Amino acid sequence: KAGVTQTPRYLIKTRGQQVTLSCSPISGHRSVSWYQQTPGQGLQFLFEYFSETQRNKGNFPGRFSGRQFSNSRSEMNVSTLELGDSALYLCASSSHLAGGRNEQFFGPGTRLTVL
Amino acid sequence: AQTVTQSQPEMSVQEAETVTLSCTYDTSESDYYLFWYKQPPSRQMILVIRQEAYKQQNATENRFSVNFQKAAKSFSLKISDSQLGDAAMYFCAYGGYNQGGKLIFGQGTELSVKP
Repeated sequence: KAGVTQTPRYLIKTRGQQVTLSCSPISGHRSVSWYQQTPGQGLQFLFEYFSETQRNKGNFPGRFSGRQFSNSRSEMNVSTLELGDSALYLCASSSHLAGGRNEQFFGPGTRLTVL
Repeated sequence: AQTVTQSQPEMSVQEAETVTLSCTYDTSESDYYLFWYKQPPSRQMILVIRQEAYKQQNATENRFSVNFQKAAKSFSLKISDSQLGDAAMYFCAYGGYNQGGKLIFGQGTELSVKP
């Protein structure tokens, strides 16, 4: 099976712009989670989508949003970019079984730089 | 709220020796899962080992094993016969049974392996 893929791998944006990141989960996986990784804050949970519905949400401002399509692919959007949004954004997928017992498989990440 | 703490920012081990990485967590839930992830310089997160809280037996995966102390809320990772390829950042993560795809990560431990 192909792993989790994320596009693009690198992005450079300027403050005030918006950005959309894409994630394709492992075939058959219906849960997609997003994380932000920065040197200062570490790995922080953004949100999770399951069957096109947001199932969990972290403590991030409304500028961060996401969605999931019927094929389980997910996108996250960040509007009005700030310098502090520079980070590695990781996507992870897991199977449809309920509960935290599922293993999350991570993609290679998208490195976002905001100038 | 659940928290995960890794008190060792950096660790070093000689090749072929054994090293133990520490992790403590705090939760009021009774059912949960604990994970150790490895993140090499490529930034690809790789699952090393997982432990279900309801299992008393410590999980093992080849050279990797955990010491899970539920009452003490401690979850350490032991790497035996360390190899150069083990050099990476290691993250301890908590997943609540009913939290779906949400993982809470510790700050990480940077492991270096000396030849």
